[in-house]
Parts: sequence; C-alpha cells; structure tokens
Amino acid sequence: GDSVTQMEGPVTLSEEAFLTINCTYTATGYPSLFWYVQYPGEGLQLLLKATKADDKGSNKGFEATYRKETTSFHLEKGSVQVSDSAVYFCALSRTSGTYKYIFGTGTRLKVLA
Amino acid sequence: EPEVTQTPSHQVTQMGQEVILRCVPISNHLYFYWYRQILGQKVEFLVSFYNNEISEKSEIFDDQFSVERPDGSNFTLKIRSTKLEDSAMYFCASKIRDSSYYGYTFGSGTRLTVV
Repeated sequence: GDSVTQMEGPVTLSEEAFLTINCTYTATGYPSLFWYVQYPGEGLQLLLKATKADDKGSNKGFEATYRKETTSFHLEKGSVQVSDSAVYFCALSRTSGTYKYIFGTGTRLKVLA
Repeated sequence: EPEVTQTPSHQVTQMGQEVILRCVPISNHLYFYWYRQILGQKVEFLVSFYNNEISEKSEIFDDQFSVERPDGSNFTLKIRSTKLEDSAMYFCASKIRDSSYYGYTFGSGTRLTVV
C-alpha cells in the first residue's frame, strides 16, 4: 500500500543553518505531495505542496521538489530561525479514487539561538 | 484567515465511557475528515464525510466510532465505549473540494486521554 517515510528526529540546528528533512514515498500512480507543520499547541498547517513531477513547492523560505525518479519530496530551507522550531509532516494524497492523506511519522526540528 | 475549531482541547475520560469530540469546519467547506495521532506515531486517517454521509472509513473506524453533522455547522466524532488504546490526539479537517489539489485545513486537535 501507499506509504511515506520521513527521517527520524529530533533534528537540532543552530540558527541560520541549512535544513534538510528527507521524505520518500511509495504509491501507485502520481500522488500529490504535501508538507505540513505543527507548531507547539497548534494544529497541522499546510506549508507547501506539489501536485506533479518536477513541481517545486515553496513557502516561507521552505522548498521541496517532487522527484518522481527518486520518489522523494525533501524539505529544505537555506537559513533556519528559532521560530521554525516545530514538527514537520510529509504526506501524500492520491489523485484519483480516495483522496485521504498518508502521513509520515513527523520530524521534530529544534533551532537553537 | 478562516479556521477549523475543535473543542475541547483536552479531554480525560474513564475507560468504557462515551466521548464526543466537536469540530466546527470552515463554513464554505463541504468535505470533512477526522484523523488521529497516537503519541509518537503517524497521523492516521479515520473517516471522511460528505453530503451527510460517510464517504470512506479506515479499519480503525469500527462500530465504536460514529460521526455526524447535527446542525449544519458542527461535525462530531463519537466514541461509544472508550478503550485505553483510543488515547490519542484527534484532528478534524475540512476541504472545499475532495481533490488532491487542495490541502486540508486542520483544527488544533483534541487530546483524548482514556484512564
């Protein structure tokens, strides 16, 4: 069945460091891919998405490129801030039939000043 | 920005008791969902709801679970007889259309603790 695999956390970085959170997926067809962020005490917020191969989603300095050949959707940010500390979830949704999300386990990011 | 509102934020209940988790989706959204996250585990799909019917449910969503939209604004998840393993964070979500192109808007979640 469909699945999403994320790198284990927690990831601890210093402010202004480069961030990569790996996400790979297994799915039939060409799913849509999403990154959600959960700040402490809050719900899941859509960070960015990509709906077809080679699409790049971007928002708030974060980017992820839909790589069909490697079935990956890695999240990157060039310079993290303390305010980026949160849990990041990668998710996929099929483009036909059921549109429910399959989530990864989430990666906790802690950014130190 | 429109929000999905969930109440309560935290509920503690005794095993075997019934609980109702409440959600107010965004007003012009038509598709509604419940997901849950057991501590430290993946966020899992429970059920989707459209036009006053369940459109899909997971194997987790057994006879102990039910959903309804009683008054056109609230969307509730009921667990009839809670078990210890129902302890989790429950997220409500809504979408304007049931398409993979649109992302969900999630609520802040209700943390359910069964003791």
